[in-house]
Amino acid sequence: DAKTTQPTSMDCAEGRAANLPCNHSTISGNEYVYWYRQIHSQGPQYIIHGLKNNETNEMASLIITEDRKSSTLILPHATLRDTAVYYCIVNLYNQGGKLIFGQGTELSVKP
Amino acid sequence: DVKVTQSSRYLVKRTGEKVFLECVQDMDHENMFWYRQDPGLGLRLIYFSYDVKMKEKGDIPEGYSVSREKKERFSLILESASTNQTSMYLCASSGSLHNEQFFGPGTRLTVL
Repeated sequence: DAKTTQPTSMDCAEGRAANLPCNHSTISGNEYVYWYRQIHSQGPQYIIHGLKNNETNEMASLIITEDRKSSTLILPHATLRDTAVYYCIVNLYNQGGKLIFGQGTELSVKP
Repeated sequence: DVKVTQSSRYLVKRTGEKVFLECVQDMDHENMFWYRQDPGLGLRLIYFSYDVKMKEKGDIPEGYSVSREKKERFSLILESASTNQTSMYLCASSGSLHNEQFFGPGTRLTVL
């Protein structure tokens, strides 16, 4: 599985967009990018995933560069409840769900 | 909404005890997983199961076993608990191939 690199921590002002970067320079052609987050004392929560096109859902947008070596998760209007650790994971689509979680980015949304 | 429940939020056991952690999902998912989460080490996969009575070792299976007699239930067993198994244990399930896993709230196990 391709390795991902994320900043250890980030701050964001409430109401502003939070842009969380992820590098995955060794990603292969059939590997997807997944994002999960974990709010303190809860289990991780799936956010979004994509292969090469940009994706958007009710929670976030995922921007994947053309060479697929990096991606950015965007929370358009961050709230205090978005404070969490965000994990970027690269994995095969049909690997049966075996996910490898790295250290993630600790996002602090401040008033 | 998918619901994954775990039998306890907090559990305290003594060294050498046999410990059962239960996980139940209500969405008829084929795949179920057990992870442990420790500070600085992130989430690590212990065991997973693709179907009833099927199991696969994850990255750190030593000291653990699992049981899946029914599709909705996946149990993690610590045959003889040790202090280095003090951790947060997370169960997850997945019904599709695209790796969207749904996690339970976790069980914080302390072994004294």
